[in-house]
Amino acid sequence: AQSVTQPDIHITVSEGASLELRCNYSYGATPYLFWYVQSPGQGLQLLLKYFSGDTLVQGIKGFEAEFKRSQSSFNLRKPSVHWSDAAEYFCAVGQTGANNLFFGTGTRLTVIP
Amino acid sequence: EPEVTQTPSHQVTQMGQEVILRCVPISNHLYFYWYRQILGQKVEFLVSFYNNEISEKSEIFDDQFSVERPDGSNFTLKIRSTKLEDSAMYFCASSNDRDTEAFFGQGTRLTVV
Repeated sequence: AQSVTQPDIHITVSEGASLELRCNYSYGATPYLFWYVQSPGQGLQLLLKYFSGDTLVQGIKGFEAEFKRSQSSFNLRKPSVHWSDAAEYFCAVGQTGANNLFFGTGTRLTVIP
Repeated sequence: EPEVTQTPSHQVTQMGQEVILRCVPISNHLYFYWYRQILGQKVEFLVSFYNNEISEKSEIFDDQFSVERPDGSNFTLKIRSTKLEDSAMYFCASSNDRDTEAFFGQGTRLTVV
């Protein structure tokens, strides 16, 4: 069965510190992988996606993620966090770009001065 | 930047009442989706819609749900007889191709009382 696990419910980091949000998935076929961010009162904004090719993908706002097939992981990273990065982050997996995506439960990021 | 627009942002309805959630997808997109997120739970796929018909639906999308594209710009989700457990944030999304990423709206929070 398809599933996405985000083991960290809540992470707190200091502004300027590095960040890694974990995502593990279980999927029968080669997956399409996504990270979305949701700020309070806002919709889901796509940060980055992996469809094929280079396993290190760059996204918006300085985020990157690495697809590791052997570990079934797609962790999100940022070298230096800004206060505006405080939000909820969702990892998602699917067989196509948008249809029937499976989402993780999300990781809430708090950024402290 | 084009965006998916959802109205209303918050709707309160009495149990048993019909409710229609409205979405205006990005204008050149051809694929449309509804997802929902019950408070504290994962974002879940409801239905995808293409060429004026449902292309895929989840087990959640039972007979009390329906979708429609009544004109060239709107995409609606109707819940015929709302139940308390229908209370959730409902997200509309669109994409210009099945294999490209979805763009999500800001959501409609439905509260059934």
